[in-house]
Amino acid sequence: KAGVTQTPRYLIKTRGQQVTLSCSPISGHRSVSWYQQTPGQGLQFLFEYFSETQRNKGNFPGRFSGRQFSNSRSEMNVSTLELGDSALYLCASSLTGTDQETQYFGPGTRLLVL
Amino acid sequence: AQKITQTQPGMFVQEKEAVTLDCTYDTSDPSYGLFWYKQPSSGEMIFLIYQGSYDQQNATEGRYSLNFQKARKSANLVISASQLGDSAMYFCAMREIGGNNRLAFGKGNQVVVIP
Repeated sequence: KAGVTQTPRYLIKTRGQQVTLSCSPISGHRSVSWYQQTPGQGLQFLFEYFSETQRNKGNFPGRFSGRQFSNSRSEMNVSTLELGDSALYLCASSLTGTDQETQYFGPGTRLLVL
Repeated sequence: AQKITQTQPGMFVQEKEAVTLDCTYDTSDPSYGLFWYKQPSSGEMIFLIYQGSYDQQNATEGRYSLNFQKARKSANLVISASQLGDSAMYFCAMREIGGNNRLAFGKGNQVVVIP
């Protein structure tokens, strides 16, 4: 079974631009979560989608948004990029996102904002 | 408030030796799950092992075992017979059951295995 895939793997943008990252979960997984990883803040939860609905949200500004499609693929968007948005963005999937399920992560998208 | 604490500095480990990575956590929820992930330099988070708060026995997965001490709120990872490919960052994470589906991560432990 294929793992979680994320595209693109690397991205360079300039301040003020917007960016869209994509995540395809493991087949059959319906919960998709997004995390931001930076050297200073570590790994922080952005949001989680299940059945095309945002079910949980972390403490990030409204510039960070996402969506999920009927095939469970998810995208996250960051508008008006800031230098501090430079990070590794990780996507994780699980079956239903409940109880003791393990979240399986993709390889991440490295975003550099100049 | 930080829920997961990993305070060890970077570690050098001799190949074939065992290494223990410390993790303490803080929660008032009686039901929770603890996870360990490995992150090599490529960036992908690789799931290693899981321990549920109600599990009676310590979890084991191949060379990985979890030393779970519930009263002390600690969940240390033990890697036996270290291999060069074990060089990576290791993260401890917790999910509180019944809350939401977010994982709270520690800051990680850097492990370098030397031949």
